[in-house]
Amino acid sequence: EIVLTQSPTTIVASPGEKVTITCRGSSSVSYMYWYQQKSGASPKLWIYDTSRLASGVPNRFSGSGSGTSYSLTINTMETEDAATYYCQQWSSSPWTFGGGTKLELK
Amino acid sequence: VQLVESGGGLVQPGRSMKLSCAASGFTFSHYYMAWVRQAPTKGLEWVALISTGGDNLYYRDSVRGRFTGSRDNAKSTLYLQIDSLRSEDTATYYCLRVNSGYGMDVWGQGTSVTVSS
Repeated sequence: EIVLTQSPTTIVASPGEKVTITCRGSSSVSYMYWYQQKSGASPKLWIYDTSRLASGVPNRFSGSGSGTSYSLTINTMETEDAATYYCQQWSSSPWTFGGGTKLELK
Repeated sequence: VQLVESGGGLVQPGRSMKLSCAASGFTFSHYYMAWVRQAPTKGLEWVALISTGGDNLYYRDSVRGRFTGSRDNAKSTLYLQIDSLRSEDTATYYCLRVNSGYGMDVWGQGTSVTVSS
């Protein structure tokens, strides 16, 4: 099983600040997927194929990476971005998710 | 495009439960479907994947033999039969659409399962 480790676990950011979340895999994966989950809501697909933004996702978000290291970046933090973000791989069964990174607004 | 789960609730350990997921707004039979669960205050965990025809089923090791996924394409409905329920099965169960090359792009609102005596 590929274990995905996200860092940091929690991050507190001010509006306008740049934010980066990292996801490292125990083995190489072909692509990384990211999901956003707000409190009490279902997760939403946020980034697919490592760097492609899902429909409706603001272009202040970006994704990058390869092999065992991937990241999600918010160029300028906005209030609505406060949520938990999960990375996910399906290069190898079982599909696995990272433990999540909670992004809070300062 | 919508997925609506049902069938959750409070159940005693060792009992069975069947979750349903009604799909609408898209051609259900064209998509693989999956179940993902989330224990209270915990992260996401993939549970099962069901092929378009329901003939290919994939499970995580910890649920294989107790969980059975199925679908009725005529009714656009996905199911998850859970047998021999354990306390560690307590979670919100999400039904979701798997869009090849795009990701898990549609999620239901989830149905809560609590296993307790």
